[in-house]
Amino acid sequence: ETGVTQTPRHLVMGMTNKKSLKCEQHLGHNAMYWYKQSAKKPLELMFVYNFKEQTENNSVPSRFSPECPNSSHLFLHLHTLQPEDSALYLCASSPTDTFTDTQYFGPGTRLTVL
Amino acid sequence: GDSVTQMEGPVTLSEEAFLTINCTYTATGYPSLFWYVQYPGEGLQLLLKATKADDKGSNKGFEATYRKETTSFHLEKGSVQVSDSAVYFCALRLIQGAQKLVFGQGTRLTINP
Repeated sequence: ETGVTQTPRHLVMGMTNKKSLKCEQHLGHNAMYWYKQSAKKPLELMFVYNFKEQTENNSVPSRFSPECPNSSHLFLHLHTLQPEDSALYLCASSPTDTFTDTQYFGPGTRLTVL
Repeated sequence: GDSVTQMEGPVTLSEEAFLTINCTYTATGYPSLFWYVQYPGEGLQLLLKATKADDKGSNKGFEATYRKETTSFHLEKGSVQVSDSAVYFCALRLIQGAQKLVFGQGTRLTINP
């Protein structure tokens, strides 16, 4: 499998559930990102990891907890979410976090919080 | 702060029409500029990019030129196809500071046969 993959593609969860989103990249990249795409809003960067170290947390609530065990995998752990957290969550990777590097996106996980 | 403004959609055109989607930016430094495309049900794909002033990015018949004097990066295509129907996002990324893409709000394009 090539590129950036995300699982699951769709997730419905209650406000008290705990779930995790998974992202895997097969491109040999060292930087990985989580973005949130809400209806009628620009994409919002949530987290950046470079060589497994978190380099940016864009003021994301603590109910979202990222984990990057290695350069190929990125998780987003979810707990006690709110309905307004329903969105498309996109993972991306790039060779490094240098500004000229192209980011490659996965297909996203469509999350619905009931 | 740094921001990207795109023309509001939705945009509806007939096949073979000329396309322009306007994009202007505000940035404190000299950013790299990108156009991403999102087809229905899919994630974002890089369409083209330019990393310095006067660079022209091109791909799949689409073009955009980095204009520092007008802080613009307008997307153009001479003859659109039904398969070009998608949402198009303009984005910038700065040399310094937070290493993140700043996106415009997206422009939905529909091409009718």
